[in-house]
Parts: sequence; C-alpha cells; structure tokens
Amino acid sequence: AQSVTQPDIHITVSEGASLELRCNYSYGATPYLFWYVQSPGQGLQLLLKYFSGDTLVQGIKGFEAEFKRSQSSFNLRKPSVHWSDAAEYFCAVGKYSGGGADGLTFGKGTHLIIQP
Amino acid sequence: DAGVTQSPTHLIKTRGQQVTLRCSPISGHKSVSWYQQVLGQGPQFIFQYYEKEERGRGNFPDRFSARQFPNYSSELNVNALLLGDSALYLCASSWGNSGANVLTFGAGSRLTVL
Repeated sequence: AQSVTQPDIHITVSEGASLELRCNYSYGATPYLFWYVQSPGQGLQLLLKYFSGDTLVQGIKGFEAEFKRSQSSFNLRKPSVHWSDAAEYFCAVGKYSGGGADGLTFGKGTHLIIQP
Repeated sequence: DAGVTQSPTHLIKTRGQQVTLRCSPISGHKSVSWYQQVLGQGPQFIFQYYEKEERGRGNFPDRFSARQFPNYSSELNVNALLLGDSALYLCASSWGNSGANVLTFGAGSRLTVL
C-alpha cells in the first residue's frame, strides 16, 4: 500500500529565510509526486508535480522540489519565504496525475508559520 | 473561467441524518473526485467518477455514495451520519484520466455532525 510521511507537523521560519519541508513516500511503482498548499478556508492548490525526467522540479510561487529515488524523498524548498507562504503544505503520491481510480494518497501535512 | 464550485460551504447536521453535498467541475472537465479531510489530517480519497461512471472508491463504508450527472456535476451523499463524519469534504475535477491531467480542488464543504 502506498503511504506518505511528512515528519514535521509544524515548522516556524523567519521571513526571508530559506525553507525545506520533508516528504517521504512508499510506493510499489513509479508514482506521480505532488506538493499542494492549503490556506485557511481554501481548497488545495497545486504547487508542483513530478513523474519523470529532471529530478529538480520548479513550481509556482518560487517553490521547487527534488526527487531522490534512493531516499524515497520529495522535499519541498524555497530560498526565501514571504509572510504569505504561511499555510498548510501537503505532499501526495498517486498512480495517475489526475488521481484516477486509486485517488491520491496525502501526507498529514506540515503547518508553516512565518515569523516577522 | 469559474473554478470548482461546491455547495453548501458549511452545514450542521445531527447524528443519524443524511447529507448531500454538491460539486460543479471546471467547464470541460469530465472527472470528479471526492476527498474527506478530517481536522489535522490530509485529504483521504472517497470516490472518483469519470464520464458519469464510478471508476474508483476509497476505504469508506457504504453509507457514502455519489453520482455524476450528464453535465458532469456531482453529488456526494452520506447516510446515517456519525460524529466522525465531521470533516471538510473536497471535490476535485480534472479533464480525464491521462497522465497530463492534474486535480483542481474546490474550497470544500465543511460538515459538522452534532
């Protein structure tokens, strides 16, 4: 069975500092990997996805993620965070980019707090 | 273009009641998926409908059902509500099932069961 682990429940970062959110996954085949962001009262917004090719993926809002097959990791990074980045971040894995019949499996999320 | 729209945004029910949640996908999207997000957890897959047929189902009891209409909108029904059904219910749409598609989520319907 597929699973996603986000080890950090909460992370506090100062505005302007760099950010790395960790994600480890378990999947029997080559999966699609995703990072979504959820602001309070909002749905999920896709930041980026990976399936194959270059292991460093660029997304929206200045985010990037690096796929490391040997570590089963897909960590999200941003060189300089802004106060508007405060939100809940979810890593997800799936067989199909659109979820498909199996859907996506999400981690429990990491709550990002930005200090002024 | 409008995104994925869900209604109602908030609702309160009591145990044993039934609830219907509605979702309108992005125009041109033929696939609708439903997810349940309990407070403090990540979303959990409930159903996927594509071209008006159920294509996938997550690990949820038969109290949960859904359907997709000819215009590709969808309804999620939950019968015999339990306190544990309190959650944010997210609808997501995509054009189809191919690898080029991604899910676009609505803002959700927050259900509180008392």
